[in-house]
Formats: sequence, C-alpha cells, structure tokens
Amino acid sequence: GEDVEQSLFLSVREGDSSVINCTYTDSSSTYLYWYKQEPGAGLQLLTYIFSNMDMKQDQRLTVLLNKKDKHLSLRIADTQTGDSAIYFCAESGVTGGGNKLTFGTGTQLKVEL
Amino acid sequence: EPEVTQTPSHQVTQMGQEVILRCVPISNHLYFYWYRQILGQKVEFLVSFYNNEISEKSEIFDDQFSVERPDGSNFTLKIRSTKLEDSAMYFCASSDGTEYEQYFGPGTRLTVT
Repeated sequence: GEDVEQSLFLSVREGDSSVINCTYTDSSSTYLYWYKQEPGAGLQLLTYIFSNMDMKQDQRLTVLLNKKDKHLSLRIADTQTGDSAIYFCAESGVTGGGNKLTFGTGTQLKVEL
Repeated sequence: EPEVTQTPSHQVTQMGQEVILRCVPISNHLYFYWYRQILGQKVEFLVSFYNNEISEKSEIFDDQFSVERPDGSNFTLKIRSTKLEDSAMYFCASSDGTEYEQYFGPGTRLTVT
C-alpha cells in the first residue's frame, strides 16, 4: 500500500530557510501536497504539485519533486515565527478532488528567535 | 470564505457508547471525507462519500462505523460501540471534485474512557 514518510522535527532560526523532506512509495501518485496544521486548527493546504512537474514556487514556498527517488521537499524562505506548525506531506492517486489522501507523519517546525 | 465546520470540538464518552460526530461541509461540495489522527500518529483516511453512498473506505472503517448525509447540509460519522482505541482527532473534509484541494474542518477530539 501507499506509504509516506517524513522526519518528525525541525528547528530553525527566524529569517533562515526551512527545508522539510518527504518520501513516498506509490509510483502512481499523481498529486503531492503540503498541508499545515496549527495548534487546535484543521489542516490547511499550502501548496500542491502535479507529478509531471519538478518544481513549483509560490511566494516564500518552493516545492521540489524528484520522481525517480520519490522524494518531495518544501522550502520555506525567510522563515517566521508564524510558520511554526506541523507540516504534512500527502499524496493522492488520480485527482485530489475525489480521491483519498495518504498523509505522512508530519514534521513539527519550530522557529526560534 | 466558506469553511468546513465540525461539532462538538471535544467529545468524551464511555467505552461501549455510541457517538455521532457532525460536520457541515462547504455548501456546493459533492465529495465528503472522514479522517482520523490518533495522538502522535499519522492522519489516516477512513471513508469517502459521494452521491449518497460510500465511494471508498479503509480497513479501519469496519461495521462499527457508519456515515450519513441526513439532510442537505450535514455529514455525520457514527461509531456504534466505542472502544478505547477509537480515541483520536476526527477530521471531516469536503471537495467539489474539480479542484485539487480537500478542505478540512478543525476536527473533533474524541476521548473514550
């Protein structure tokens, strides 16, 4: 079955870049996502990438996809204290709209002053 | 901005009792989902629902679980006879099927004692 893995914890200083990594096993994954979860809140979609893309940039966020290695990363430039949260990598098979998401364990990002 | 809402935010119940978790998806959405997150573990898919029937369910979603869309606005998850291991955060999500995003609610924390 599908599996998605992430490192559990990342600590960075404010203003530095953060890089959160994810690996997945399902070669038929079509869409790959990054969700953010703040304390007491639901899951907020940050960005997604289609599997035939290598990179996607959206303001401070850069997603890199290495399909050969099944490796996805999220880079947050100029990390701020408000970026402290848990970041989940997720994948879906065909489309994101009608298909289930398979999530990673989540990476807790702590931003220190 | 439209959002998915869930009630209650926290439910405490005794083992063996029935619970109903409620969700109000975004009004023009057609696909509905339940996920759960046991403390410290991954967010796991439970069930998806479309056109008034279950479209996919996971191994977790056994005969103790059921879902219903009793009217045009609510989407419910019922656990018939709760077990200690059902203690988790339960997330509802919805999508319109044409976009790549599933919109998540803030979750209901279920504690079974």
